[in-house]
Amino acid sequence: EAGVTQFPSHSVIEKGQTVTLRCDPISGHDNLYWYRRVMGKEIKFLLHFVKESKQDESGMPNNRFLAERTGGTYSTLKVQPAELEDSGVYFCASSRLAGVYNEQFFGPGTRLTVL
Amino acid sequence: AQTVTQSQPEMSVQEAETVTLSCTYDTSESNYYLFWYKQPPSRQMILVIRQEAYKQQNATENRFSVNFQKAAKSFSLKISDSQLGDTAMYFCAFMKRLNTGFQKLVFGTGTRLLVSP
Repeated sequence: EAGVTQFPSHSVIEKGQTVTLRCDPISGHDNLYWYRRVMGKEIKFLLHFVKESKQDESGMPNNRFLAERTGGTYSTLKVQPAELEDSGVYFCASSRLAGVYNEQFFGPGTRLTVL
Repeated sequence: AQTVTQSQPEMSVQEAETVTLSCTYDTSESNYYLFWYKQPPSRQMILVIRQEAYKQQNATENRFSVNFQKAAKSFSLKISDSQLGDTAMYFCAFMKRLNTGFQKLVFGTGTRLLVSP
């Protein structure tokens, strides 16, 4: 079974540009989460999808961030326009939906650098 | 709101020795999970161990064990017989326990562990 994959692994862009990050969850996982780690700080929750619906987007920093999950499969996270403080590692995780507890499986992350 | 604190930014240990990573948390919830995740260099984060708050017995997974002190809100990770492959960033995390089956993780800042020969 393939794990969670993320693309690209690294992205370097200039302030004001647009970047789109992609996450492919494990097949059959209806829960999809985005997290971000800014250098030296904790990993912070951004948002959560159940299938194609946004369940919780309380962690999204501002309206420059737009997440989508068309058809309940892969998800994209677009940052437009990017600012310096958006630099960090963006992690995606997925889990099954049924039951009280379901382990979240993480992707390798996308390292975003905004210059 | 829940918070997770890891006060050790970096730790080092020699192969075959034992090391303990500290984690404290703050919550008003009574039902929750605690986790230790490991992220090796340039690799993805994986779950090391999970503790359910209502269970008094400390969780163990092979060389990894926890010391869960619910009243003190402390959740440390002990790695016995350290191996070079244990070199990684270790994150302590908290999750509310709900019937919905999905909840966000709240992480600490991480502890970088270096195992040397």
